[in-house]
Amino acid sequence: SQQGEEDPQALSIQEGENATMNCSYKTSINNLQWYRQNSGRGLVHLILIRSNEREKHSGRLRVTLDTSKKSSSLLITASRAADTASYFCATGTDTGRRALTFGSGTRLQVQP
Amino acid sequence: KAGVTQTPRYLIKTRGQQVTLSCSPISGHRSVSWYQQTPGQGLQFLFEYFSETQRNKGNFPGRFSGRQFSNSRSEMNVSTLELGDSALYLCASSPGYGELFFGEGSRLTVL
Repeated sequence: SQQGEEDPQALSIQEGENATMNCSYKTSINNLQWYRQNSGRGLVHLILIRSNEREKHSGRLRVTLDTSKKSSSLLITASRAADTASYFCATGTDTGRRALTFGSGTRLQVQP
Repeated sequence: KAGVTQTPRYLIKTRGQQVTLSCSPISGHRSVSWYQQTPGQGLQFLFEYFSETQRNKGNFPGRFSGRQFSNSRSEMNVSTLELGDSALYLCASSPGYGELFFGEGSRLTVL
Protein backbone atom coordinates (compact mmCIF):
# COMPACT_ATOMS: atom_id res chain seq x y z
CA SER A 1 0.00 0.00 0.00
CA GLN A 2 1.13 3.54 -0.53
CA GLN A 3 2.38 5.51 2.39
CA GLY A 4 1.74 8.92 1.02
CA GLU A 5 -0.95 10.94 -0.55
CA GLU A 6 -0.26 13.71 -2.98
CA ASP A 7 -2.27 16.79 -3.48
CA PRO A 8 -3.57 17.81 -5.90
CA GLN A 9 -4.10 14.67 -7.99
CA ALA A 10 -4.06 16.80 -11.12
CA LEU A 11 -2.89 20.32 -11.84
CA SER A 12 -3.20 22.36 -15.03
CA ILE A 13 -1.31 25.64 -15.38
CA GLN A 14 -0.02 27.99 -18.07
CA GLU A 15 3.60 28.11 -19.15
CA GLY A 16 5.54 30.52 -16.95
CA GLU A 17 3.40 29.94 -13.87
CA ASN A 18 4.60 28.15 -10.75
CA ALA A 19 3.39 24.68 -9.82
CA THR A 20 3.17 23.46 -6.25
CA MET A 21 2.59 19.85 -5.28
CA ASN A 22 2.18 18.52 -1.77
CA CYS A 23 2.95 15.14 -0.29
CA SER A 24 2.04 13.64 3.05
CA TYR A 25 3.45 10.47 4.55
CA LYS A 26 2.76 8.35 7.60
CA THR A 27 5.92 6.95 9.19
CA SER A 28 9.35 8.18 10.23
CA ILE A 29 11.66 8.65 7.30
CA ASN A 30 15.34 8.80 6.48
CA ASN A 31 14.85 10.71 3.27
CA LEU A 32 12.18 11.98 0.91
CA GLN A 33 12.65 12.11 -2.82
CA TRP A 34 10.73 13.49 -5.77
CA TYR A 35 10.55 11.76 -9.13
CA ARG A 36 9.05 12.67 -12.49
CA GLN A 37 7.47 10.21 -14.88
CA ASN A 38 6.49 10.90 -18.45
CA SER A 39 3.57 8.81 -19.61
CA GLY A 40 4.36 5.10 -19.31
CA ARG A 41 8.09 5.67 -19.04
CA GLY A 42 10.62 5.17 -16.27
CA LEU A 43 10.99 7.54 -13.36
CA VAL A 44 13.56 10.31 -13.30
CA HIS A 45 15.02 11.42 -9.99
CA LEU A 46 14.58 15.13 -9.30
CA ILE A 47 15.75 15.85 -5.78
CA LEU A 48 16.41 14.17 -2.45
CA ILE A 49 15.98 15.81 0.93
CA ARG A 50 17.14 14.15 4.12
CA SER A 51 15.08 14.07 7.29
CA ASN A 52 17.35 16.60 9.01
CA GLU A 53 16.97 19.12 6.17
CA ARG A 54 14.12 21.59 5.82
CA GLU A 55 14.58 23.00 2.35
CA LYS A 56 16.52 22.20 -0.77
CA HIS A 57 16.90 23.83 -4.17
CA SER A 58 17.89 22.46 -7.55
CA GLY A 59 17.55 24.72 -10.55
CA ARG A 60 13.85 25.62 -10.86
CA LEU A 61 12.91 23.13 -8.14
CA ARG A 62 12.39 23.90 -4.48
CA VAL A 63 11.53 21.21 -1.98
CA THR A 64 10.50 21.70 1.62
CA LEU A 65 10.16 19.07 4.31
CA ASP A 66 8.25 19.35 7.58
CA THR A 67 8.84 16.19 9.59
CA SER A 68 6.58 17.37 12.41
CA LYS A 69 3.67 17.46 9.97
CA LYS A 70 4.98 14.54 7.91
CA SER A 71 4.65 16.57 4.75
CA SER A 72 6.68 17.89 1.86
CA SER A 73 6.08 20.22 -1.03
CA LEU A 74 7.65 20.53 -4.46
CA LEU A 75 7.63 23.90 -6.18
CA ILE A 76 8.47 24.18 -9.87
CA THR A 77 9.03 27.79 -10.84
CA ALA A 78 8.54 29.28 -14.31
CA SER A 79 7.06 26.05 -15.64
CA ARG A 80 7.53 24.91 -19.23
CA ALA A 81 5.47 22.66 -21.48
CA ALA A 82 8.25 20.08 -21.11
CA ASP A 83 7.47 19.87 -17.37
CA THR A 84 4.21 18.11 -18.24
CA ALA A 85 4.45 14.77 -16.44
CA SER A 86 3.40 12.92 -13.31
CA TYR A 87 5.32 13.77 -10.15
CA PHE A 88 5.76 11.36 -7.26
CA CYS A 89 7.15 11.74 -3.80
CA ALA A 90 8.87 8.72 -2.29
CA THR A 91 10.13 8.05 1.21
CA GLY A 92 12.90 5.84 2.48
CA THR A 93 13.37 4.70 6.06
CA ASP A 94 16.47 4.06 8.15
CA THR A 95 16.14 0.31 7.55
CA GLY A 96 15.17 0.67 3.91
CA ARG A 97 16.70 3.79 2.39
CA ARG A 98 16.30 2.35 -1.07
CA ALA A 99 13.02 0.48 -0.43
CA LEU A 100 10.97 3.49 -1.35
CA THR A 101 7.30 4.02 -0.59
CA PHE A 102 5.71 6.16 -3.26
CA GLY A 103 2.85 8.57 -3.08
CA SER A 104 -0.08 8.49 -5.43
CA GLY A 105 1.32 11.17 -7.72
CA THR A 106 0.29 14.52 -9.14
CA ARG A 107 -0.38 14.79 -12.85
CA LEU A 108 0.89 18.18 -14.04
CA GLN A 109 -0.23 19.64 -17.35
CA VAL A 110 1.55 22.79 -18.50
CA GLN A 111 -0.29 24.57 -21.30
CA PRO A 112 1.94 26.36 -23.83
CA LYS B 1 27.53 5.78 -18.77
CA ALA B 2 24.75 3.55 -20.03
CA GLY B 3 21.53 3.71 -18.07
CA VAL B 4 19.50 0.94 -16.52
CA THR B 5 18.42 -1.56 -19.15
CA GLN B 6 15.35 -3.70 -18.81
CA THR B 7 14.32 -6.55 -21.06
CA PRO B 8 11.93 -7.36 -22.51
CA ARG B 9 10.14 -4.03 -22.83
CA TYR B 10 6.77 -5.56 -23.63
CA LEU B 11 5.39 -9.03 -23.19
CA ILE B 12 2.08 -10.82 -23.19
CA LYS B 13 1.43 -13.95 -21.15
CA THR B 14 -1.60 -16.00 -20.24
CA ARG B 15 -2.85 -16.87 -16.77
CA GLY B 16 -0.91 -19.64 -15.11
CA GLN B 17 2.29 -19.03 -17.04
CA GLN B 18 5.46 -17.67 -15.52
CA VAL B 19 7.64 -14.78 -16.60
CA THR B 20 11.22 -13.68 -16.05
CA LEU B 21 12.25 -10.06 -16.38
CA SER B 22 15.83 -8.90 -16.60
CA CYS B 23 17.58 -5.76 -15.42
CA SER B 24 21.12 -4.55 -16.08
CA PRO B 25 22.07 -1.77 -13.65
CA ILE B 26 24.33 1.17 -14.26
CA SER B 27 27.95 0.08 -14.17
CA GLY B 28 29.30 0.20 -10.64
CA HIS B 29 25.89 0.19 -8.96
CA ARG B 30 25.54 -2.68 -6.51
CA SER B 31 21.92 -2.12 -5.50
CA VAL B 32 19.02 -3.17 -7.68
CA SER B 33 15.41 -2.79 -6.67
CA TRP B 34 12.14 -3.68 -8.36
CA TYR B 35 8.81 -1.89 -8.35
CA GLN B 36 5.38 -2.71 -9.72
CA GLN B 37 3.22 0.07 -11.12
CA THR B 38 -0.50 -0.39 -11.73
CA PRO B 39 -3.31 2.15 -12.20
CA GLY B 40 -5.07 0.88 -9.08
CA GLN B 41 -2.22 0.40 -6.60
CA GLY B 42 0.30 2.85 -7.97
CA LEU B 43 4.00 2.25 -7.44
CA GLN B 44 4.78 -0.54 -5.01
CA PHE B 45 8.14 -1.84 -3.84
CA LEU B 46 8.82 -5.48 -4.60
CA PHE B 47 12.35 -6.18 -3.38
CA GLU B 48 15.90 -4.87 -3.27
CA TYR B 49 19.18 -6.67 -3.78
CA PHE B 50 22.59 -5.45 -2.76
CA SER B 51 25.71 -7.47 -3.57
CA GLU B 52 23.61 -10.55 -4.38
CA THR B 53 21.72 -10.44 -1.07
CA GLN B 54 18.07 -9.55 -0.72
CA ARG B 55 18.02 -6.58 1.66
CA ASN B 56 14.35 -5.69 1.70
CA LYS B 57 11.12 -7.23 0.49
CA GLY B 58 7.75 -5.68 -0.12
CA ASN B 59 4.35 -7.10 0.65
CA PHE B 60 3.91 -9.40 -2.31
CA PRO B 61 3.07 -13.11 -2.44
CA GLY B 62 5.75 -15.75 -2.82
CA ARG B 63 4.96 -16.02 -6.54
CA PHE B 64 7.17 -12.97 -6.93
CA SER B 65 10.85 -13.73 -6.56
CA GLY B 66 14.13 -12.27 -7.63
CA ARG B 67 17.84 -12.70 -7.62
CA GLN B 68 21.01 -10.79 -8.31
CA PHE B 69 24.10 -12.11 -9.99
CA SER B 70 27.74 -11.38 -9.20
CA ASN B 71 27.86 -8.78 -12.01
CA SER B 72 24.92 -6.97 -10.31
CA ARG B 73 22.46 -7.89 -13.06
CA SER B 74 19.12 -8.89 -11.63
CA GLU B 75 16.14 -10.93 -12.63
CA MET B 76 12.67 -11.14 -11.21
CA ASN B 77 10.29 -14.00 -11.73
CA VAL B 78 6.55 -14.20 -11.39
CA SER B 79 5.06 -17.69 -11.36
CA THR B 80 1.45 -18.76 -11.89
CA LEU B 81 0.50 -15.44 -13.42
CA GLU B 82 -2.80 -13.82 -12.54
CA LEU B 83 -4.71 -11.12 -14.40
CA GLY B 84 -3.84 -8.69 -11.62
CA ASP B 85 -0.14 -9.09 -12.32
CA SER B 86 -0.55 -6.99 -15.45
CA ALA B 87 1.62 -3.98 -14.74
CA LEU B 88 4.66 -1.96 -15.58
CA TYR B 89 7.62 -3.50 -13.75
CA LEU B 90 10.36 -1.02 -13.05
CA CYS B 91 13.91 -1.78 -12.09
CA ALA B 92 16.13 0.79 -10.41
CA SER B 93 19.79 0.78 -9.55
CA SER B 94 21.67 2.77 -6.96
CA PRO B 95 25.31 3.26 -6.00
CA GLY B 96 24.29 2.75 -2.37
CA TYR B 97 22.82 5.98 -1.09
CA GLY B 98 19.25 7.14 -1.57
CA GLU B 99 18.87 8.23 -5.18
CA LEU B 100 17.51 5.58 -7.58
CA PHE B 101 18.05 5.42 -11.32
CA PHE B 102 15.14 3.77 -13.10
CA GLY B 103 14.94 1.83 -16.31
CA GLU B 104 12.13 2.27 -18.83
CA GLY B 105 10.27 -0.74 -17.47
CA SER B 106 8.86 -4.01 -18.71
CA ARG B 107 5.16 -3.85 -19.49
CA LEU B 108 3.51 -7.18 -18.75
CA THR B 109 0.03 -7.99 -19.95
CA VAL B 110 -1.63 -11.13 -18.61
CA LEU B 111 -4.56 -12.46 -20.63
